[in-house]
Amino acid sequence: DAMVIQNPRYQVTQFGKPVTLSCSQTLNHNVMYWYQQKSSQAPKLLFHYYDKDFNNEADTPDNFQSRRPNTSFCFLDIRSPGLGDAAMYLCATSRDGSKGNIQYFGAGTRLSVL
Amino acid sequence: GNSVTQMEGPVTLSEEAFLTINCTYTATGYPSLFWYVQYPGEGLQLLLKATKADDKGSNKGFEATYRKETTSFHLEKGSVQVSDSAVYFCALTGITDSWGKLQFGAGTQVVVTP
Repeated sequence: DAMVIQNPRYQVTQFGKPVTLSCSQTLNHNVMYWYQQKSSQAPKLLFHYYDKDFNNEADTPDNFQSRRPNTSFCFLDIRSPGLGDAAMYLCATSRDGSKGNIQYFGAGTRLSVL
Repeated sequence: GNSVTQMEGPVTLSEEAFLTINCTYTATGYPSLFWYVQYPGEGLQLLLKATKADDKGSNKGFEATYRKETTSFHLEKGSVQVSDSAVYFCALTGITDSWGKLQFGAGTQVVVTP
């Protein structure tokens, strides 16, 4: 059974039209991460939550926001998508973020921007 | 800062051939090391990990040994199958990385032909 679930698997949006991607987990993990992965590249961490504490990577554009209303759910909001934001977005969780913790990934949402 | 370097792909080989993917890292102290695999259109899955020097991680016929003296974590499999076709990412979590942040290599695409 899937433990980290991302919806939708494919999302098409228009240039400048806000979009929200969803992630849920059944693992009851404290940490949830959002990564952006462009074609043929490594995943790039955008931000993460430890419980309700939000941690932004220094180079994450302001256009990207996140919400975590409870332990199970986390959302990625792109306020004004540009063509350069077309990518696979991966959600991941880990138990407590300590060194050696395994991250569990969802299947990803592939975002297209028209 | 921490970094991971892995061999470029694509690596193309025949079924039952021996696979090696080189991975070296730069980090202070003793990071945790991981290999993740990404099948087409999917998220990442942990393949194996090692958390201290000389540890050997193994799973599904894949092995990697944490070599502190050469700062390496090369992935090997003795006899590959077509189903092993995927992109393989070497990654680390450094001792100074907060909340289990993963630093990925660029990924190596492996194509196994019948």
